Amino acid sequence: EAGVAQSPRYKIIEKRQSVAFWCNPISGHATLYWYQQILGQGPKLLIQFQNNGVVDDSQLPKDRFSAERLKGVDSTLKIQPAKLEDSAVYLCASSLEAAWGTFGSGTRLTVV
Amino acid sequence: SQQGEEDPQALSIQEGENATMNCSYKTSINNLQWYRQNSGRGLVHLILIRSNEREKHSGRLRVTLDTSKKSSSLLITASRAADTASYFCASTDSWGKLQFGAGTQVVVTP
Repeated sequence: EAGVAQSPRYKIIEKRQSVAFWCNPISGHATLYWYQQILGQGPKLLIQFQNNGVVDDSQLPKDRFSAERLKGVDSTLKIQPAKLEDSAVYLCASSLEAAWGTFGSGTRLTVV
Repeated sequence: SQQGEEDPQALSIQEGENATMNCSYKTSINNLQWYRQNSGRGLVHLILIRSNEREKHSGRLRVTLDTSKKSSSLLITASRAADTASYFCASTDSWGKLQFGAGTQVVVTP
């Protein structure tokens, strides 16, 4: 079974620029999550999709972050404009109902 | 905010010793999961315990769950240098919301 694919692996941008991350979940996994993990901290849930609908986005900074899940499969997370404090690893995960999450390798974002 | 807290924040042991870490959570859960992470990259699922279970084993891992205290523990027996990693607990509620604790950094020295 193929895992969760994320791209790019690394991204360096200047503050106030925009950036987008892409995630391809495991086939058949209805639930998709995006997390932000700052160095030394646990992953913070940004948004949870069930198919192409949003279940929870209570911790998503909506003034600058947006996410969509096209046709209930792939997902993109966008930051516009980026701030220095957005430097983190962005993790995507997918799961079957009531099961564990399978994580991608993440995108390491550095904002300078 | 994170769902819960983990204790200790860091743990240093020698090979062959057991490692125990604890996790507390705040809200009602469907299940609780433990993950391992090396070098700040992707997380690897280790074990899942459902809210109606009290103890579960998988190889050298033993997980307990006390829903009355909203807490869980992970025991790694006979640790190896390769067990050096960060360990996170994560809870899932009835909506499938998966939230993580702050993690425990474990260092196993040969």
